[in-house]
Amino acid sequence: EVHLVQSGGGLVQPGGSLSLSCTASGFVFNSLWMSWVRQAPGKGLEWVANIKQDGSEQFYVDSVKGRFTISRDNAKNSLFLQMNSLRAEDTAVYYCARENMVRGIWQGFDYWGQGTLVTVS
Amino acid sequence: AIQVTQSPSSLSASVGDRVTITCRASQGVRTDLGWYQQKPGKVPKLLISAASSLQSGVPSRFSGSGSGTDFTLTISSLQPDDFATYYCLQDYKYPLAFGGGTKLEIK
Repeated sequence: EVHLVQSGGGLVQPGGSLSLSCTASGFVFNSLWMSWVRQAPGKGLEWVANIKQDGSEQFYVDSVKGRFTISRDNAKNSLFLQMNSLRAEDTAVYYCARENMVRGIWQGFDYWGQGTLVTVS
Repeated sequence: AIQVTQSPSSLSASVGDRVTITCRASQGVRTDLGWYQQKPGKVPKLLISAASSLQSGVPSRFSGSGSGTDFTLTISSLQPDDFATYYCLQDYKYPLAFGGGTKLEIK
């Protein structure tokens, strides 16, 4: 069974840094892209970043470029999000999510972590 | 960046009703659009990928259609478990973008 278990998060002051982790099990972690998605309190979903299977490519939403870094350690089945220069508008629940592919067709985010709250205040 | 406009933002309906939610992309995204359901305090659930491909385990009362810029999610006969917020997501081009969401409430 697929599981994504998140850790990290918490309260940080504006301008501060925080790191999130997501440990995967139940599938071949190094075979799939992984993403981070966030949701501000009472608001909608926002895709934040993703990373290729081998870590060689990453993409970001414009609002976090230059401040957030997504990375992965395939030996430890782990995904990370390093968040620097945090702003109040980064306050959100952050989810890691698996990007599934079936026969070469992108399926979407089929498994999600439990979410972790990041509060910038 | 591609903008995705979802409508309506909220909707009241009754059990048994047929409901349609729409997403419009600011430029063509082929069929690279999916639909998610989220209940309060829960993680989102993938319902439909590639505009019309129903995920395993999702009831057949859910269906998706569209291509290019205009897409619809239809629930053919609302059940009590369907009251939730629904989001579309374009995956045609980076940055990936969700629609603003449609909150489906009980009338």
